[in-house]
Amino acid sequence: GAGVSQSPSNKVTEKGKDVELRCDPISGHTALYWYRQSLGQGLEFLIYFQGNSAPDKSGLPSDRFSAERTGGSVSTLTIQRTQQEDSAVYLCASSFAGDEKLFFGSGTQLSVL
Amino acid sequence: AQSVTQLGSHVSVSEGALVLLRCNYSSSVPPYLFWYVQYPNQGLQLLLKYTSAATLVKGINGFEAEFKKSETSFHLTKPSAHMSDAAEYFCAVSPKGNTPLVFGKGTRLSVIA
Repeated sequence: GAGVSQSPSNKVTEKGKDVELRCDPISGHTALYWYRQSLGQGLEFLIYFQGNSAPDKSGLPSDRFSAERTGGSVSTLTIQRTQQEDSAVYLCASSFAGDEKLFFGSGTQLSVL
Repeated sequence: AQSVTQLGSHVSVSEGALVLLRCNYSSSVPPYLFWYVQYPNQGLQLLLKYTSAATLVKGINGFEAEFKKSETSFHLTKPSAHMSDAAEYFCAVSPKGNTPLVFGKGTRLSVIA
């Protein structure tokens, strides 16, 4: 597609369940980022992939959060044993290597009941 | 560590009035600075960026920002607000290219007719 695609756009889950969020970056973009946007908190960096390098996981808030990127393209963010405080919009962005211009997807709104 | 502080979570201006959104940064090295905009129900998009070239940076839709090292500021301005400028604006900093951007908490701009 022409832009960064995220699915699902909305996800409602029960506390304690696992969820998977998907990001399909722009073709050719080697850098991929996950951010979390909470009301009044701005964008919180979660994890960063660049090519075949080891991902920068320094922003993951707990070991319940993990992400992978298969074949240098699609990425999945997994949250295990979801908690209510995980409710937020999860944003994915991609860019060319060395380019500060990030292209963002529309996000996944996660609601944990 | 790098950080940005956006003064004012909500700014309201009249149509045709000056827009001024404030951003102060903290960085131990010469920073790259960015403004991103998020229109309602859309993903974030780059408005403008400063990467140590000209201190006055012009972006899309008539916005510009001036890097002032002495004040550690990167305020965003537009001479005349338009209704279509209503959005959430995020300031971001990076120590160099292709590293995860650190975003501020955002400023919501409302434009009153």
